[in-house]
Amino acid sequence: EIVMTQSPATLSVSPGERATLSCRASQSISTNLAWYQQRPGQAPRLLIYGASTRATGIPARFSGSGSGAEFTLTVSSLQSEDFVVYYCQQSNSWPVTFGQGTRLEIK
Amino acid sequence: QVQLVESGGGVVQPGGSLRLSCAASGFIFSSYDVHWVRQAPGKGLEWVASIRYDRSNSFYADSVKGRFTISRDNSKSTLYLQMNSLRVEDTGEYYCVKDGSGSATHFDSWGQGTLVAVSS
Repeated sequence: EIVMTQSPATLSVSPGERATLSCRASQSISTNLAWYQQRPGQAPRLLIYGASTRATGIPARFSGSGSGAEFTLTVSSLQSEDFVVYYCQQSNSWPVTFGQGTRLEIK
Repeated sequence: QVQLVESGGGVVQPGGSLRLSCAASGFIFSSYDVHWVRQAPGKGLEWVASIRYDRSNSFYADSVKGRFTISRDNSKSTLYLQMNSLRVEDTGEYYCVKDGSGSATHFDSWGQGTLVAVSS
């Protein structure tokens, strides 16, 4: 099973600033990585797939990068609704696995 | 637009059974792989099971293998999850999820979830 490790667990950033979230796979997963955002009480929402392709309707301030085992989600110019939880997920091999999540909080 | 509506959750004793359903609309159900993903209270996301668009193959997390069965009825645009021998650790929100297009699995549309509580 591929283990996905997200860091940090909690990230404190000021509104308007940039946030950089990391996700590391225990082995190479090419670009078979997705990012999700989850707001309290809601289902997750797909942000990025294929490591860098924004999903439909996702604002351009969200961007993904990386390949192999190291990936990054960048949220530029943070807005109030962005301070929630983010998960990465690999689909290079079964079982599909998620990272434990990064909580983005207001500094 | 894509809609996924889960039902069938509830409270059940350990060792009991439940059958979850997910009614899909707004897309050609028979053309997409679909999945179940769960989330224990206050915890992260855990993939549970997946089934191919044509029912040719299904996949399970080790934690549910042999106890849960995923199935689909393409004529009714409905996904199912039969859960037997339920354990306390199966408690959580169960989401029905549609796969995106492309070669790698990613979850592009989610239902609102149905809550399963396993407790004596």
